[in-house]
Amino acid sequence: DSGVTQTPKHLITATGQRVTLRCSPRSGDLSVYWYQQSLDQGLQFLIHYYNGEERAKGNILERFSAQQFPDLHSELNLSSLELGDSALYFCASSEGSGSSYNEQFFGPGTRLTVL
Amino acid sequence: GENVEQHPSTLSVQEGDSAVIKCTYSDSASNYFPWYKQELGKGPQLIIDIRSNVGEKKDQRIAVTLNKTAKHFSLHITETQPEDSAVYFCAASLINYGQNFVFGPGTRLSVLP
Repeated sequence: DSGVTQTPKHLITATGQRVTLRCSPRSGDLSVYWYQQSLDQGLQFLIHYYNGEERAKGNILERFSAQQFPDLHSELNLSSLELGDSALYFCASSEGSGSSYNEQFFGPGTRLTVL
Repeated sequence: GENVEQHPSTLSVQEGDSAVIKCTYSDSASNYFPWYKQELGKGPQLIIDIRSNVGEKKDQRIAVTLNKTAKHFSLHITETQPEDSAVYFCAASLINYGQNFVFGPGTRLSVLP
């Protein structure tokens, strides 16, 4: 158990809908990273938040957004969902801001299925 | 941007044999190279990492080597055990600009008893 929690475990929804994925980092970790894992794209970095502020963006679609709240939990919002958005979404957390070598601890993931 | 290639995509070995997975990266500025193991139904877990100022690092049965000139790094697992069966991902990143990994496509390792 990495100490990172993600809810829900599974999510089934329809095209065009909007969903919110939630992540609670390990106690004391200030950074949260979001990743998407799909069969055709592999494991891709989406976005990084540190202590409530966005630090970096990766291959995140404009239909997707994220935020990190004062209690450090994070939410990833996916809107206007398409079939291709079906994937595993992982959250990871680490102690630092990403400017030094800190291990990222991954949560168990949320499996999103868009029908 | 950074691009990471990984080979082979699948690897089967007999229990007790060694396994080697190789990765290449494109951005010579990358300075941190972790390896993650992902078991079925779980998130990736760090098993070993190496920084660009080091050529080799070992942790029990696992070792990683880095050749900065050739821009490739490899994972070596010796005395493989059935519990080593999993998908392994290499990654590259540039620390100091956020630890935003670019992952390789993964290698599915099967250790046959």
